[in-house]
Amino acid sequence: DGGITQSPKYLFRKEGQNVTLSCEQNLNHDAMYWYRQDPGQGLRLIYYSQIVNDFQKGDIAEGYSVSREKKESFPLTVTSAQKNPTAFYLCASSIEGRTGLYGYTFGSGTRLTVV
Amino acid sequence: AQKVTQAQTEISVVEKEDVTLDCVYETRDTTYYLFWYKQPPSGELVFLIRRNSFDEQNEISGRYSWNFQKSTSSFNFTITASQVVDSAVYFCALSEVNKGGKLIFGQGTELSVKP
Repeated sequence: DGGITQSPKYLFRKEGQNVTLSCEQNLNHDAMYWYRQDPGQGLRLIYYSQIVNDFQKGDIAEGYSVSREKKESFPLTVTSAQKNPTAFYLCASSIEGRTGLYGYTFGSGTRLTVV
Repeated sequence: AQKVTQAQTEISVVEKEDVTLDCVYETRDTTYYLFWYKQPPSGELVFLIRRNSFDEQNEISGRYSWNFQKSTSSFNFTITASQVVDSAVYFCALSEVNKGGKLIFGQGTELSVKP
């Protein structure tokens, strides 16, 4: 079955560490997105990629980095520069990233906690 | 600037009651798309509906119905005869053409349906 796989489901990070969240899709979608969800704040866009080898910053990119070397994969690294990384992270994909017509398919999320 | 507002943070109803979730949006574009997603406790967002800005016809799908009114920039969602399984967080979202396929989400409404 086609879909998006996020791993791990739960992740614990120590202060000062970088961690990488995995997002893989087998839907042959061109566009991929990373959102952060905090209680009462909805979903906020971190980074997005419309095609392979290209990505753009979203509204809250500081302290995060991404790569898009393969169409299927869009990993997110939470760096030590991110001051408040504890949150629920959602990865999504879309057939294309131009028209806005298709909406997203979402992964099941990664809950990151700083310990 | 584009914005989506879901003023109701939490709603609690008793099973079989009807409930309406409000969504108000802001955009300067004439072509745009509106979405509703459901987020059950498992965390993964599930697509419910998409409307384009040129189609104001209301839609009904089983117990779900949507009322799109451009005059008031609203896209409200009604659940008729609510059930416990409807308990979830519901998000309204907006996308505009040629904006990278990005979805702008409201803050979400947490619906609790009690038996």
